[in-house]
Amino acid sequence: DGGITQSPKYLFRKEGQNVTLSCEQNLNHDAMYWYRQDPGQGLRLIYYSQIVNDFQKGDIAEGYSVSREKKESFPLTVTSAQKNPTAFYLCASSPTGTGYQPQHFGDGTRLSIL
Amino acid sequence: DQQVKQNSPSLSVQEGRISILNCDYTNSMFDYFLWYKKYPAEGPTFLISISSIKDKNEDGRFTVFLNKSAKHLSLHIVPSQPGDSAVYFCAASATTSGTYKYIFGTGTRLKVLA
Repeated sequence: DGGITQSPKYLFRKEGQNVTLSCEQNLNHDAMYWYRQDPGQGLRLIYYSQIVNDFQKGDIAEGYSVSREKKESFPLTVTSAQKNPTAFYLCASSPTGTGYQPQHFGDGTRLSIL
Repeated sequence: DQQVKQNSPSLSVQEGRISILNCDYTNSMFDYFLWYKKYPAEGPTFLISISSIKDKNEDGRFTVFLNKSAKHLSLHIVPSQPGDSAVYFCAASATTSGTYKYIFGTGTRLKVLA
């Protein structure tokens, strides 16, 4: 079955620690995205990548970093510079980054601070 | 500034009746709109979309209406079923320098009562 796999489902971070959230897709999609969801808020775009080895900042990129070395993988690192990292993180992909296409989402990773 | 607004955080409807979920937007450059459905602890799944050249799009029990002059769209579910109970997000997009990014609303939680 094609889809997007996010791991882990739950993640705990200590103060001052970097953590990396995994996102893998086998849909052969070119474009991938990371969103953050907070209670009572819509999904907010952190980073996106329209093609391998290229990525762009979204609306709330501060304190986060990404890489796109392979088409199927788009890991997100939450750095210690992100002061309020507790949230639900969603990864998505679409066939290309151009043209209007629905995005396919993974099941998310919930990050909490210890 | 919230460009996409879902002013009703929750809605309860009897099984078999119509559910109407509303979404307002402020950016007149938005020209493509989508609705997503989200169950707890899962990622959103695409439901239906509409481009600004249309005012209605129908898919089975789901119909989306777009009123460009009022900057308003709505999702109608007829007849509503208990399995429709979920959070519904609307999203809007406009081309910005060839990049297609979506702005999501805050969601409306629909509860269909058996």
